[in-house]
This record gives sequence, C-alpha cells and structure tokens, in this order.
Amino acid sequence: GQSLEQPSEVTAVEGAIVQINCTYQTSGFYGLSWYQQHDGGAPTFLSYNALDGLEETGRFSSFLSRSDSYGYLLLQELQMKDSASYFCAVSSGSARQLTFGSGTQLTVLP
Amino acid sequence: DAGVTQSPTHLIKTRGQHVTLRCSPISGHKSVSWYQQVLGQGPQFIFQYYEKEERGRGNFPDRFSARQFPNYSSELNVNALLLGDSALYLCASSSGTSANTGELFFGEGSRLTVL
Repeated sequence: GQSLEQPSEVTAVEGAIVQINCTYQTSGFYGLSWYQQHDGGAPTFLSYNALDGLEETGRFSSFLSRSDSYGYLLLQELQMKDSASYFCAVSSGSARQLTFGSGTQLTVLP
Repeated sequence: DAGVTQSPTHLIKTRGQHVTLRCSPISGHKSVSWYQQVLGQGPQFIFQYYEKEERGRGNFPDRFSARQFPNYSSELNVNALLLGDSALYLCASSSGTSANTGELFFGEGSRLTVL
C-alpha cells in the first residue's frame, strides 16, 4: 500500500520561510502534489513534481527526490493568509489516483 | 466558469439510512473522483470515474457505490450508514491533462453527519 508522513504542525512568523517535508512509500509512483486547505474549504492545488528537482511558483516552491522518496514544500515571505493545512499527495496506480498525507497545520503569527 | 459543484452541502442522517451525494464537474472535465475526509485527516480516495467507467476504487466497503452520467456528473451512494461515515465528502474533477500533472479541482464538499 501507500503511506506518507509529514509533520502535523508548523508555526512561523510573518515574512519568514517555512519548509514542510513529506516522505512516502508507494508503488507505481507518478509524482508528488501539494494542496492547501483552509478550514472548511476545498483543497486547492499548489504544485506537482514528477521529476527530481525544484519547481517554483511565486512564493511557493516544491522539491522532489525520487531516489529518497522525499519531497518538500517551501513557502517564502509568509503571510497571515498562508495559515492553513498543507497536504502532500502521491499520484500512483493506473488511475493516477491521489493518496494524501494527514496534513500539516501551518500557523503564521504576526 | 463554474467550478466543481456539490450538493447537498450539509446533511444529517441516522444509522442504517442511505445517502446520495451529487457532483457536477468543471465543464469539459471527463474525470470525477470521490474522497472522504474525516476531521483532522487528509482526503481518502473512494472512487474515480472516467467516461462513465470506474477507473479506480479505494479501500472502502461495498456499502459505497458511485456512478457517472453521460453529462459527466456523478453520484456517490452510501448504504447502511454507520457513525463512522460522518465526514466531509469531496468530489474532484480533472481533465486528461490535469490528471497527468497531479492537479485535481475540488468542490467544497458535502458534510455528512450520521447520528
């Protein structure tokens, strides 16, 4: 089966940089996605890595090492609105279904 | 353009009842997936449909079933409800391209409470 591990909580201050790590075990791996979810809201897509390396999208970057089964999401210039849950998810199987981690609750302090 | 729409947004049922949840994907998206999200956990994969055919099924009992209609909308049915079925049920759609990039578009979900 598949399993993912990510920290349950992270706290940082406005303007800081925070890294959320994700390790995974899966078969038939296609890629690693990151999603953001505010309380009571829909998960929204942030980024996707299929190959090793860093992908940058504005203040957010995501990294993947397939050999280490490891990835991270890097959030720069943190803003209060970044307070949310962040999920890593592996894409695998013939249907490329997503298997999500348990999520990391990010709290940004003023 | 409308995003993924789900109905109802909230509902309360009692043990043993059944429930039907509905989802309309983004226009042009042919794939619909269903996820269950229990409070404090990540979404858990239930089903994926593409072009009206089941393409994937998660580790859920046979009480859970789904179907996709010719207009690509979808229904999730849950029979013989248990207290543990209380959760947020999320529907997500994807185009062929977005599925290859790990990008799903989620609706706001249907929050089911089983008493």
